[in-house]
Amino acid sequence: QVQLVQSGAEVKKPGASVKVSCKASGYTFTSYGISWVRQAPGQGLEWMGWISAYNGNTNYAQKLQGRVTMTTDTSTSTAYMELRSLRSDDTAVYYCARAGYYGSGSHQFDYWGQGTLVTVSS
Amino acid sequence: DIQMTQSPSSLSASVGDRVTITCRASQGISNSLAWYQQKPGKAPKLLLYAASRLESGVPSRFSGSGSGTDYTLTISSLQPEDFATYYCQQYYSTPPTFGQGTKLEIK
Repeated sequence: QVQLVQSGAEVKKPGASVKVSCKASGYTFTSYGISWVRQAPGQGLEWMGWISAYNGNTNYAQKLQGRVTMTTDTSTSTAYMELRSLRSDDTAVYYCARAGYYGSGSHQFDYWGQGTLVTVSS
Repeated sequence: DIQMTQSPSSLSASVGDRVTITCRASQGISNSLAWYQQKPGKAPKLLLYAASRLESGVPSRFSGSGSGTDYTLTISSLQPEDFATYYCQQYYSTPPTFGQGTKLEIK
């Protein structure tokens, strides 16, 4: 069965960086992409960006351009999301979600990771 | 970016009720619409895509309809496990965007 298993909760200080992993299993990793979606406490869902595991193409949300990098390691079927220069308003649960491998990142998301809470606090 | 507006923001209903949630896009999205269910502390779960196509394993009491800018999610007979927050999402253009959510509560 398809599973996306994310790394554990993180606590970071403002200005630091965080890197969250998402290990995929149960499907051919390079036949899909991975999107990252975050949810601030008590708030809605915000798309952060997408990476194609097929060819490494990426597309990031404009508001995060320059602070976020998404990568994949096809040898371990793992996707990574790194967010730099963290601020308090980056405190959120971060989800990876399976998406299409093609286009520029606009897809529905059929499988989701369990979420990773990132807390930014001094 | 395409703005997605859901209504209502919250809804109280009873087991067995029929409920409808509406999602309006700021421009036409050609049925490129998904609906998700999210329970507290859990990841969202895909219910429907392409506006009306039921994801595998999702009960048939969930249905979707609409076209152009206006879409609806209907639950034909509410079950206790359906009380959750529901989100619509357009994937017609990048960035994909979500509605603000509709919290469905027990009356």
